[in-house]
Amino acid sequence: NAGVTQTPKFQVLKTGQSMTLQCAQDMNHNSMYWYRQDPGMGLRLIYYSASEGTTDKGEVPNGYNVSRLNKREFSLRLESAAPSQTSVYFCASSEGGSLSYEQYFGPGTRLTVT
Amino acid sequence: DQQVKQNSPSLSVQEGRISILNCDYTNSMFDYFLWYKKYPAEGPTFLISISSIKDKNEDGRFTVFLNKSAKHLSLHIVPSQPGDSAVYFCAARHIRDDKIIFGKGTRLHILP
Repeated sequence: NAGVTQTPKFQVLKTGQSMTLQCAQDMNHNSMYWYRQDPGMGLRLIYYSASEGTTDKGEVPNGYNVSRLNKREFSLRLESAAPSQTSVYFCASSEGGSLSYEQYFGPGTRLTVT
Repeated sequence: DQQVKQNSPSLSVQEGRISILNCDYTNSMFDYFLWYKKYPAEGPTFLISISSIKDKNEDGRFTVFLNKSAKHLSLHIVPSQPGDSAVYFCAARHIRDDKIIFGKGTRLHILP
């Protein structure tokens, strides 16, 4: 039982390049989330998916797109990376709905955009 | 506009004493509150939560208190242990759209 896995762990991009951050959970959770963590800013919600087939914007969605490929997987795409997107990205999942709001987090992806 | 506020960036507490971490929120549409603990280079881990219909929840050394009228919650850790040194995040769930919003975190140092 791996919980929440994220790939890659580290990535360096040049400005303008694109990439997709992958996230998968094996807990049969309904809800999945993408957060970014910047120094002094805490965790800010980028996008979330309350159930398979649905996605919604969070606090800081600009410059990102997401796909809820199936119940297990939720990917985050940067179409044209910018230095302001240098951050640590965390994926999380929870049972969701009225069941439980406790989130389980992945280990994070450290992204640097030069 | 920050909806979940942790106004103390850091806190130092002697080992064995009580640690109290505070959190304020502005949105009355939050119905569930959670605390997470984070070590460097790891993802946050869930610690304890409380529903808005309760005013206290206890789990071992950890107790969360909720004061709805003041829109304030606090996490009490007693007794504090060296392994409690970490960053603590307060989070709140929005009743309507299931969003979970985090505060900026408080770094807790447990002193020997």
